Amino acid sequence: DIQMTQSPSSLSASVGDRVTITCRASQGISNYLAWFQQKPGKAPKFLIYAASNLQSGVPSKFSGSGSGTDFTLTISSLQPEDFATYYCQQYNSYPLTFGGGTKVEIK
Amino acid sequence: EVQLVESGGGLAQPGGSLRLSCAASGFTFTSYWMNWVRQAPGKGLEWVANIKQDGSEKYYVDSVKGRFTISRDNAKNSLFLQMNGLRAEDTAVYYCAREAAGSSFSDYWGQGTLVTVSS
Repeated sequence: DIQMTQSPSSLSASVGDRVTITCRASQGISNYLAWFQQKPGKAPKFLIYAASNLQSGVPSKFSGSGSGTDFTLTISSLQPEDFATYYCQQYNSYPLTFGGGTKVEIK
Repeated sequence: EVQLVESGGGLAQPGGSLRLSCAASGFTFTSYWMNWVRQAPGKGLEWVANIKQDGSEKYYVDSVKGRFTISRDNAKNSLFLQMNGLRAEDTAVYYCAREAAGSSFSDYWGQGTLVTVSS
């Protein structure tokens, strides 16, 4: 199974900050990586696919990059609605696996 | 508008069974793979199973193989998860999710149904 490791597990940031979350795969997954945002008590929301492609309707302040084993999600200017937990997921092979999540909190 | 509505969650005893359902609308159900993903209380997301458009292919995470069965009824735009031999560690919110066309990530998710396994 491919293990997905996210770092940090949590971070505190201020409105307007640039935030970067890292996701590392235990083996190469090409660009078969997706990112999701989840707010408390809500279902995950799909943000990015193929490592760097924004889902339609997702604000351009979100961006993704990477290939192989190392990936990043960047939020260019953090807004109040962005405080949430973010998950990466590999879909290169079964079983599909998620990272442990990164909780973005208000400083 | 894509809508996925789960039902069937509740309290079950260890070793017991539950059947989850997901009613899909707003898209052509027969064109998409469908998934179940779960989230234990306070924990991260775990993919559980998925099923091909015609039901001919199914995949499962190892921890549920032999106990859970994913199925679908295309005539009723419905997805199911039959859960047998339930364990305390199966306690979670179970989400029904649609796979994006031609890929294996989920682009639309239901709101989830809570399954609690406890005596």
